[in-house]
Amino acid sequence: DTAVSQTPKYLVTQMGNDKSIKCEQNLGHDTMYWYKQDSKKFLKIMFSYNNKELIINETVPNRFSPKSPDKAHLNLHINSLELGDSAVYFCASSQGSWNQPQHFGDGTRLSIL
Amino acid sequence: GESVGLHLPTLSVQEGDNSIINCAYSNSASDYFIWYKQESGKGPQFIIDIRSNMDKRQGQRVTVLLNKTVKHLSLQIAATQPGDSAVYFCAENKGGSYIPTFGRGTSLIVHP
Repeated sequence: DTAVSQTPKYLVTQMGNDKSIKCEQNLGHDTMYWYKQDSKKFLKIMFSYNNKELIINETVPNRFSPKSPDKAHLNLHINSLELGDSAVYFCASSQGSWNQPQHFGDGTRLSIL
Repeated sequence: GESVGLHLPTLSVQEGDNSIINCAYSNSASDYFIWYKQESGKGPQFIIDIRSNMDKRQGQRVTVLLNKTVKHLSLQIAATQPGDSAVYFCAENKGGSYIPTFGRGTSLIVHP
């Protein structure tokens, strides 16, 4: 069973388009995250979300928005895609508190033409 | 070892050798530390963690050492195998925060 799954695995689209990446976790975790990994492998947190609060990295453009229909899902919507959005996006989840490791999906590689 | 720079640091070892990957963390208030392994085409995978009230923690073939005085974390891999080839990340959490800070990553290459 895949613990954290995200779709699609690859996403190729044109500048200016709007796209979504879906994430689901079957671990029963109550906190989910989105990360962006650049070509140099640097992992940057974008959002952290649980049923109590959404924490947004202030450097993330407001073209990016997380949407959580329920505790097991955290989707990422991106409006007006730009060339600099090309990266690998990872979804992750953890059980609640600060002192628990995160479980990551296998990433979505987004390429902007 | 790891450094704050533009290029991914690389550690090359021979199969069977012990590997040591280093990480300098940034926040003296951080009290939870994690090592992740990321294989090509995959997401980071949890290896081992340590809380700030400990100096050392051992797992299967891996040991994490924490030196709070100099804000240094290391991951030791015993008898390194080709399957250990990956990028390794350290991450730190400050108590009460859901947001970890990841280090730059170190690429470990194991030669058979």
